[in-house]
Amino acid sequence: GDSVTQMEGPVTLSEEAFLTINCTYTATGYPSLFWYVQYPGEGLQLLLKATKADDKGSNKGFEATYRKETTSFHLEKGSVQVSDSAVYFCALFNDYKLSFGAGTTVTVRA
Amino acid sequence: EAGVVQSPRYKIIEKKQPVAFWCNPISGHNTLYWYLQNLGQGPELLIRYENEEAVDDSQLPKDRFSAERLKGVDSTLKIQPAELGDSAVYLCASSKTSGSAMDTQYFGPGTRLTVL
Repeated sequence: GDSVTQMEGPVTLSEEAFLTINCTYTATGYPSLFWYVQYPGEGLQLLLKATKADDKGSNKGFEATYRKETTSFHLEKGSVQVSDSAVYFCALFNDYKLSFGAGTTVTVRA
Repeated sequence: EAGVVQSPRYKIIEKKQPVAFWCNPISGHNTLYWYLQNLGQGPELLIRYENEEAVDDSQLPKDRFSAERLKGVDSTLKIQPAELGDSAVYLCASSKTSGSAMDTQYFGPGTRLTVL
C-alpha cells in the first residue's frame, strides 16, 4: 500500500536558520503530494501541495518539489522564524485517500 | 467562513465505557472524514462519507466503532466499549468532494480521548 516516510524529529533551529525536512513516498500510480502543518493548539492545515512530477509547491516561504525519480518531496525554508515552530506532516493523495507520514516537530529558538 | 467544528475537545473515560464525538463540517462540503491520530504518528483514515453514505469504512474497527452522518451534514463517531488502546486524538475533516487532490481537506482541532 501507499506510505510516507519523513525525517524524524525533533528538529531545533535558531531563528533565520535554513530548514529542510526530508520526505519520501511509496505509491502506485501518480499521487499528489502535500505538506500539512499543525501549530500548537490548532488543527492540521494545508501548507503546500504539488500534483504532478516536477511541480513546486510554495507558501509562506516554504517550498517543496515533487521529484518522481527519487520519490521525494522535501520541505525547505531559507530563513525560519519562531512562528514556524510546529509539527509538519508530509502526505500523499492517491485513490481517494490521504496518507500521512509520522510528522516532524520543529522548534525555532529566538 | 467557519472551520470544521468538533466537540468535545477533551474526553476522559473509564475503559469499557461508551464515548461519542461530534463533528460539523464546513458548510457546503459533501465529503467528511474521520481520522485517528496516535501519539507521535500521522492521522490514519477511519471512515469517509460522501453526503450521508459511508463510501470507505475499511479501516473502521466495526466491532466497537460506529459512525453516522444521517442528514449528510454533521457526523458522530462512537466507541462502545472503549479500550485503553483507544486513547488518541480523533480528527474530523471535510472537503467539497473527495475525488480530486485539488479538493483540500480541512481539519478540525480534534478530540483528545484518554481511556483510564
